[in-house]
Amino acid sequence: AQSVAQPEDQVNVAEGNPLTVKCTYSVSGNPYLFWYVQYPNRGLQFLLKYITGDNLVKGSYGFEAEFNKSQTSFHLKKPSALVSDSALYFCAVEEYGNKLVFGAGTILRVKS
Amino acid sequence: DVKVTQSSRYLVKRTGEKVFLECVQDMDHENMFWYRQDPGLGLRLIYFSYDVKMKEKGDIPEGYSVSREKKERFSLILESASTNQTSMYLCASRSGTSGLLSSYNEQFFGPGTRLTVL
Repeated sequence: AQSVAQPEDQVNVAEGNPLTVKCTYSVSGNPYLFWYVQYPNRGLQFLLKYITGDNLVKGSYGFEAEFNKSQTSFHLKKPSALVSDSALYFCAVEEYGNKLVFGAGTILRVKS
Repeated sequence: DVKVTQSSRYLVKRTGEKVFLECVQDMDHENMFWYRQDPGLGLRLIYFSYDVKMKEKGDIPEGYSVSREKKERFSLILESASTNQTSMYLCASRSGTSGLLSSYNEQFFGPGTRLTVL
C-alpha cells in the first residue's frame, strides 16, 4: 500500500534562510509525487509535482523539490524563506491507477 | 481562473441530523473528491466520482454517502451526523478520463467546510 511520511510536525526557519520540508514515501511501483500548501482558513493549493524526467522540479512561489528514488524522498526546498511562506505543507503520493495519499502535514513557521 | 466552491465555510449541526455538503467546480473536470482533514492525520479520502452518477468508496466511507447528478456538482451526505464527524471537509476536482487513471494531474481544492456536530 502507498504511504507518505512527513517526519517533522513543524519546521522553524528565519526569514532569508533556506528551508527544507521533508517527505519520504513508499509505493510498489513508480510514484507520482505532489506538494500542496494550505494557508490559514484556505483550501489546499498545488505547488509542484514530479511525474517523470528531471529529478529537480520547480514550482510556484520559488519552491522546488528533489526526487530521490534511492532514498524514496521528495523534500521541498526554497533558497530564501519569506514570512509569507508560513503555512501547512502536505506531501502526497499516487501510483498510476490508485488513490492520492497525503502525509500528515508539516507546519512551516518563518520568523522575521 | 479555476474554481471549486463549497456551499458553507462553517456549519454547526446536532447529532442525528442529516447534513448536506455541496461542492461545485467550473472547470468541466471529470473527477471529483471528498476528503476530511483532521490534525495529525492529513487528508483522508471519503468518496470520489469519476463521472456523473458514478461513485467509488475511499478510505473512510462509513457514515457518508455521495451524489453526483451533474458533472459540476458533487454532494457529500452525512445520513445521521455524529460527534466524531466533526472535522474540516475538503472537496477537490481533477481533469482526466477513466477515473483514477489521471494520476499525473493535480487536484484543485475548495476552501473547505468546517463542520461541528454537537
